[in-house]
Amino acid sequence: SQTIHQWPATLVQPVGSPLSLECTVEGTSNPNLYWYRQAAGRGLQLLFYSVGIGQISSEVPQNLSASRPQDRQFILSSKKLLLSDSGFYLCAWSVLGDTQYFGPGTRLTVL
Amino acid sequence: GENVEQHPSTLSVQEGDSAVIKCTYSDSASNYFPWYKQELGKRPQLIIDIRSNVGEKKDQRIAVTLNKTAKHFSLHITETQPEDSAVYFCAASLQGAQKLVFGQGTRLTINP
Repeated sequence: SQTIHQWPATLVQPVGSPLSLECTVEGTSNPNLYWYRQAAGRGLQLLFYSVGIGQISSEVPQNLSASRPQDRQFILSSKKLLLSDSGFYLCAWSVLGDTQYFGPGTRLTVL
Repeated sequence: GENVEQHPSTLSVQEGDSAVIKCTYSDSASNYFPWYKQELGKRPQLIIDIRSNVGEKKDQRIAVTLNKTAKHFSLHITETQPEDSAVYFCAASLQGAQKLVFGQGTRLTINP
């Protein structure tokens, strides 16, 4: 069966510091991978998605970037965090853009 | 592009009553409509989905209906229980778009 992992689970970072969040999927090949951000009490904002290694589509221009160095690995990065980057970051996978399955999420607080 | 509107944003019902959440979509080419439930502090989880070749689908106390002509779909929860309290998100998939477009979410509260 398929499993999706995210780490870290929680993170507290100062403004201006770098960020690296990692997502890995097990049990499937060539999945679509997604990064979402959810502000407190808000909806799901799609940040990036990838249909293959090295292929990244950006949905919202912002302070973040994504990379997919391996088939089942998706990384979200920032060079300098802003206060507005705080939120719940969710990774998801799907096959052919159909049903998406979410990871456990990373709760990021920028101080 | 596709746009999904979800109503209401908050819904409060008495335990045992039914709850209905409605979503409308803009692109008639959309053909896949999932519903997710997100409990506080947890990840969204798929609870039911429907494809455009089906008008209704049921799974125990939950059901989803789709009206392609009107471009709207609804989630129905019967005999609500306290554990149904959560935020519910609808979504639509535009054929070939490789991504879902989500509604804004509905916070459902079941009052004992």
